[in-house]
Amino acid sequence: SVLTQPPSASGTPGQRVTISCSGSSSNIGSNPVNWYQQLPGTAPKLLIYSNNQRPSGVPDRFSGSKSGTSASLAISGLQSEDEADYYCAAWDVSLNAWVFGGGTKLTVL
Amino acid sequence: EVQLVESGGGLVQPGGSLRLSCAASGFTFSTYSMNWVRQAPGRGLEWVSHISSSSGSIYYADSVKGRFTISRDNAKNSLYLQMNSLRDEDTAVYYCARGSVTSYSLFDYWGQGTLVTVSS
Repeated sequence: SVLTQPPSASGTPGQRVTISCSGSSSNIGSNPVNWYQQLPGTAPKLLIYSNNQRPSGVPDRFSGSKSGTSASLAISGLQSEDEADYYCAAWDVSLNAWVFGGGTKLTVL
Repeated sequence: EVQLVESGGGLVQPGGSLRLSCAASGFTFSTYSMNWVRQAPGRGLEWVSHISSSSGSIYYADSVKGRFTISRDNAKNSLYLQMNSLRDEDTAVYYCARGSVTSYSLFDYWGQGTLVTVSS
């Protein structure tokens, strides 16, 4: 994938976990990052847009940030229902294409 | 309530064709860009194609360029994906996802997906 994410992450209930997304000057370095949550067997859901904005209904336990060519998703007060796959995405100006990270599978221990 | 409902998936032989549809409701379809995103079994998300609200701007992933054609009918609130010369590696769940009223897609609503299986 053009955007690089760790394949897995884990934490215990109540903990804070972060998921990184590394790109380049042609994608994250040039454009806002969106994050998506995909629960098992369901369609993806928009979690964060424009680097750090939460859509209505998304708990404030979820937060996003961006610095240079990297972005991060943080989940605080981890809950069992947060167990899902998480994807970052951005428009790539060189490819003229949307690029997604490979996804991070979050396990709540 | 925003709803996106895909249809048209199924089993097709390599080299065959299929046309996917996405019926939109609950928002002013003609003002939003739209996208197709696919997910191969057990794999991550892969963007396939984008179309602007007026169909004036269209983009494709390199993996489907020349084989797939995205289109829309704003009068019917519908998005389409014509898929030709299908390959085994096109096997995936295909989602339509709402873009944005601006130039930068949000993918803020997704359909439930339709499964395309390419196999002999």
